[in-house]
Amino acid sequence: EDQVTQSPEALRLQEGESSSLNCSYTVSGLRGLFWYRQDPGKGPEFLFTLYSAGEEKEKERLKATLTKKESFLHITAPKPEDSATYLCAVQDGTDSWGKLQFGAGTQVVVTP
Amino acid sequence: DAGVIQSPRHEVTEMGQEVTLRCKPISGHNSLFWYRQTMMRGLELLIYFNNNVPIDDSGMPEDRFSAKMPNASFSTLKIQPSEPRDSAVYFCASSLRPHYEQYFGPGTRLTVT
Repeated sequence: EDQVTQSPEALRLQEGESSSLNCSYTVSGLRGLFWYRQDPGKGPEFLFTLYSAGEEKEKERLKATLTKKESFLHITAPKPEDSATYLCAVQDGTDSWGKLQFGAGTQVVVTP
Repeated sequence: DAGVIQSPRHEVTEMGQEVTLRCKPISGHNSLFWYRQTMMRGLELLIYFNNNVPIDDSGMPEDRFSAKMPNASFSTLKIQPSEPRDSAVYFCASSLRPHYEQYFGPGTRLTVT
């Protein structure tokens, strides 16, 4: 069965203090790995899709990378507005319909 | 585009009552997904549709849950009868094609007393 594990569960950062979140996965064959951001009381917001090992995507202070067994979301010089829960999800290549398996998320708090 | 629209945003009901949650996907998207989110279990996929046809409902917890998609712009998730353990946030998401990124609605927070 596909599994997605995110670490750490929670992360508290000072503004400007860069860090990384981890998403490790086990799937039969990865079709895609997705990163989402979720603010309290809102639905997950799509950030990135990664398809193959070595691929990288960037958006403002966020950079996502992918290896064969895990993905990292790097937050560079974070600001308080980067506070959110970050979710990763995998899409198994054996599934024909795009089903996503989500991890439990990493809750990030950035203090001024 | 307005994004995925869900209603109601909040629902409080008594145990045993019927609850109907509604979703309007992004126009042109042909895949629709219903999820449930709780602190204990995280985000769980309940059912998904492709071109209005239910593809996989293996995530639906019990026969008390049912979902329909009568046309490309509307879907419902019904719980009858509701129970306190159904209390959760229910999200609807849509994607342009089955394997593309999914866009989530704001969710419906359901409380069953």
